[in-house]
Amino acid sequence: RKEVEQDPGPFNVPEGATVAFNCTYSNSASQSFFWYRQDCRKEPKLLMSVYSSGNEDGRFTAQLNRASQYISLLIRDSKLSDSATYLCVVNKQWRSNDMRFGAGTRLTVKP
Amino acid sequence: EAQVTQNPRYLITVTGKKLTVTCSQNMNHEYMSWYRQDPGLGLRQIYYSMNVEVTDKGDVPEGYKVSRKEKRNFPLILESPSPNQTSLYFCASFSSRSVPDTQYFGPGTRLTVL
Repeated sequence: RKEVEQDPGPFNVPEGATVAFNCTYSNSASQSFFWYRQDCRKEPKLLMSVYSSGNEDGRFTAQLNRASQYISLLIRDSKLSDSATYLCVVNKQWRSNDMRFGAGTRLTVKP
Repeated sequence: EAQVTQNPRYLITVTGKKLTVTCSQNMNHEYMSWYRQDPGLGLRQIYYSMNVEVTDKGDVPEGYKVSRKEKRNFPLILESPSPNQTSLYFCASFSSRSVPDTQYFGPGTRLTVL
């Protein structure tokens, strides 16, 4: 079983749609959690960190459920520019280099 | 500008011909890592370094070497490349003091081993 699992998609949605991605992780001791965005084979870039209390950044909302060991990302009012692959990332130890990446969920937003 | 640079960006080589991919960061970060990315597998860590002269194996270190003689540089060495090392490689760095503890990635090196 992979340490971080994501639905690979692809998710094809129209502009303006709301789309949700889920991610599960296997190590219950994991400490920090992130969503990264990766455009077509370019470098991943941090989208947002994920906290137990949930956090929101504009149209993006991330949630962490430690009991069920899953992380979610909600994108509201999708834009064409949101088309990308979204990577779920889990750090096994706080402030360590021991990060585990999901394989990514591909999103395509269509006009 | 704060950045992580990698060279070369693209490389086609033949089996057994030693190569080095350079990585440099200008943010004075202690931590640096090398990852490879293959379809359906996500990024997998090859080696990481927590500071100068401190390196350790990641999940897929076989066939690779690294060194960290200076804080800013973390080269990846393939002594005898094989076709199964054809992949997209990313170098990354972060600071243990940054909040959140996020990684900054280089632009990637696309390696093909024939």
